[in-house]
Amino acid sequence: SSELTQDPAVSVALGQTVRITCQGDSLRSYYASWYQQKPGQAPVLVIYGKNNRPSGIPDRFSGSSSGNTASLTITGAQAEDEADYYCNSRDSSGNHLAIYVFGTGTKVTVL
Amino acid sequence: QVQLQESGPGLVKPSQTLSLTCTVSGGSISSGGYYWSWIRQHPGKGLEWIGYIYYSGSTYYNPSLKSRVTISVDTSKNQFSLKLSSVTAADTAVYYCARDQFYEYSSSSMFADWFDPWGQGTLVTVSS
Repeated sequence: SSELTQDPAVSVALGQTVRITCQGDSLRSYYASWYQQKPGQAPVLVIYGKNNRPSGIPDRFSGSSSGNTASLTITGAQAEDEADYYCNSRDSSGNHLAIYVFGTGTKVTVL
Repeated sequence: QVQLQESGPGLVKPSQTLSLTCTVSGGSISSGGYYWSWIRQHPGKGLEWIGYIYYSGSTYYNPSLKSRVTISVDTSKNQFSLKLSSVTAADTAVYYCARDQFYEYSSSSMFADWFDPWGQGTLVTVSS
């Protein structure tokens, strides 16, 4: 199955901006969805579709997409944004478009 | 709002069948428009999609698990279930259920899926 590749870890100073990327062939046809996961908790959807935030997600979270790369940007990172972030899309390899794949995950540290 | 809750044994013996149920509240599985998925996370690792079911009973499974997985739905109880047979220690994980939505952007020929909400997850340990 095809993979969605993310940088393992990034750090950001409090109040600064951080961009997390996700690369994969399926992203040329499918917008990625993004999930925040804090230790011991279930993932929470933060961005879906072209650039949509579920109710309750702060507007400092935004999404974008270009070619085979999707990005999640946190503008003005807060301490509570420290978490693992996963992207998700379809598997575009072979005939597996019905299969979902998750990115490898990015650990965001807020300094 | 819709909420999901997983339930089932936290300990399963090797070679046996893991069985979990996800109870949906605040909305009806039968209303359609959504798929209902199982996702797992091995300790300290990333997320792995297991499969989904539609309220009609149609399913799709991750090929890596397909030979061992069965997902079923009971609309009368507003529940869907996961069975994973012939488990080994490699199946030890936190198992989540989630609602899956799909959207087509007709103007750009792009598509989108997303999982929301998720259950809180349940740890299943495979050990004798």
